[in-house]
Amino acid sequence: AQSVTQPDIHITVSEGASLELRCNYSYGATPYLFWYVQSPGQGLQLLLKYFSGDTLVQGIKGFEAEFKRSQSSFNLRKPSVHWSDAAEYFCAVGGRGSTLGRLYFGRGTQLTVWP
Amino acid sequence: DSGVTQTPKHLITATGQRVTLRCSPRSGDLSVYWYQQSLDQGLQFLIQYYNGEERAKGNILERFSAQQFPDLHSELNLSSLELGDSALYFCASSVDLLAGSFTDTQYFGPGTRLTVL
Repeated sequence: AQSVTQPDIHITVSEGASLELRCNYSYGATPYLFWYVQSPGQGLQLLLKYFSGDTLVQGIKGFEAEFKRSQSSFNLRKPSVHWSDAAEYFCAVGGRGSTLGRLYFGRGTQLTVWP
Repeated sequence: DSGVTQTPKHLITATGQRVTLRCSPRSGDLSVYWYQQSLDQGLQFLIQYYNGEERAKGNILERFSAQQFPDLHSELNLSSLELGDSALYFCASSVDLLAGSFTDTQYFGPGTRLTVL
């Protein structure tokens, strides 16, 4: 069964610092991977997604993520964090076969940005 | 703004009651998904409808049901409510022009926060 682990519940960084949010997945085949961001009172917004091809994926708002099959990871990165990036970030794996179309989410990482 | 609308934004009700949550997908989107976000379980997939028909079921309780209407809006019905049903319920939609397409982005609405007292 598909599952996603986000080891860090809460991360605090200073504005302008670099950021890496970790995501590990469990899946038997090539996964479909996503990062979403949830701001307070808002729905989830897609930052980026990986289906195949280049393992370094560029997303919106200056985010990127790298798929590493050998480590079953899909970590999200940003070189310089802005105060507006404070939010909760969710990694998700997309189902295949009988679970096609549904998303399996990690528990999320809350990002706090210090001025 | 994702283009997915959900009503109401907030709902407060008592145990044992029944409520209906409504979702209007983005214009042209054929698939609607329902997710539940709770402190205990995190974000969980509940159910998916495609062009009016149920396509996939996740961890949806028997007390919960959903449907998608000809105009493609969807409703999630929650009955015999319990305290543990308090959660944020999200609706998402995707184009899904090819049945079974996995590449479509799911666009999420702002959610309905349900509080059961």
